[in-house]
Parts: sequence; structure tokens; C-alpha cells
Amino acid sequence: QKEVEQNSGPLSVPEGAIASLNCTYSDRGSQSFFWYRQYSGKSPELIMFIYSNGDKEDGRFTAQLNKASQYVSLLIRDSQPSDSATYLCAGCSGTYKYIFGTGTRLKVLA
Amino acid sequence: GAGVSQSPSNKVTEKGKDVELRCDPISGHTALYWYRQSLGQGLEFLIYFQGNSAPDKSGLPSDRFSAERTGGSVSTLTIQRTQQEDSAVYLCASSLDMKGFSSNEKLFFGSGTQLSVL
Repeated sequence: QKEVEQNSGPLSVPEGAIASLNCTYSDRGSQSFFWYRQYSGKSPELIMFIYSNGDKEDGRFTAQLNKASQYVSLLIRDSQPSDSATYLCAGCSGTYKYIFGTGTRLKVLA
Repeated sequence: GAGVSQSPSNKVTEKGKDVELRCDPISGHTALYWYRQSLGQGLEFLIYFQGNSAPDKSGLPSDRFSAERTGGSVSTLTIQRTQQEDSAVYLCASSLDMKGFSSNEKLFFGSGTQLSVL
């Protein structure tokens, strides 16, 4: 069973802090990874994708990928209450089947 | 259309009835997915359509579930003889194409259909 695992949380961080969200995957064939944000009652929206080892930065968001450790993370700097949502990690094996984790609920405390 | 459109947004049905859920993907998107999300859970892959290729139905949980995509555009997910465990949000997503590792791979999700089976 190919899986993507995330801690369900909630992860609580104070406003302005760095939120660190982590994800591990079991399928070594996975080559690209995605972070989706899902507000309560809403559909997921893509915020980051990464396919090379290392870091990828976009504004306050940094995605990190370590294929040797089968580990993906998302860092959110200067966290805002509006960042409070569930963050879904997804892996794709280069074909088309995205495997999603169950998501980590993030709470940013004002 | 401007985004992925799903209808109905909410569907309440009685156990044993059949339901049809509709998805209209973004114009020009050749890939279409159906996912199911139960309360507090992640997204469960159901089925994938790509152009005129045979769909990947490997995620359909039982033979009560079927889906079709007409003309490479609109898709309908049908659940026959609904059961209470079918209650969930059914999400449709589309993407431009799978040509390698690029933002073309990103999925655009519809707002989902909340299905409640009583």
C-alpha cells in the first residue's frame, strides 16, 4: 500500500512564528510532491510543488524535499491567523495518481 | 468555465437510492479526477480520466460506483444503491496534462458535492 503520512495535529503556533509541517511517503517511485491548503468546508488549493531535493521558496512558504529519507516538509514563516487550515501533502509517481495524506490541521493563534 | 464546476453542491438521499454527481472541468483540461473525502480524512482516489484513454478505475470502492466522461469534458459519477458509508464529500479535480514535473500537473478542485445518505 503506497502511503503518504502526516501528523493530524492540530499544530498550534503563535502568530509570527514559523510553522513546520511534515510528511513522509512510502513509494520511492514518487517523484513530485505537492502541498495543498484546505480551509474548513472548502476544496483544496495548491500552494507549493517540489520535485528536486532541497528547498524551494515562494514568499512565506518553503517546501523541502529529501528523497533519501522520503520526507517532505512545508515551512510557513511569519504565520498569520489566515494560515489556519488543513495542509494536505500529496505525492505523485510521475504517472498521474496523486496519493494524499490525511492532512495536518494548523492553528495560528493571534 | 473559469473553474471546476460540480453539481449538486449538496445531495441528501435515502439508503438504496441511486445518485448522480456531475463535474464540469476547466476548459482545455484533459485530465479529470474524482476523489472522496470523509469527515476529517484525507482524499481517497476514486477514478482518473485522461483524454480518450481508458480510465483508471482502480480506486472505486465497489461495483456500485461508476463514472463516465462524455466527449472528453463533463464527467458523471454514479453511485447505485447508496449506503450510509457512502456519505462524504465527493471532489472533482482537473489538470492541464501530465508532461513532466511542472505546474501543469497541479490539480484544480471543484467545490465538491456533500453527499448524505440517510
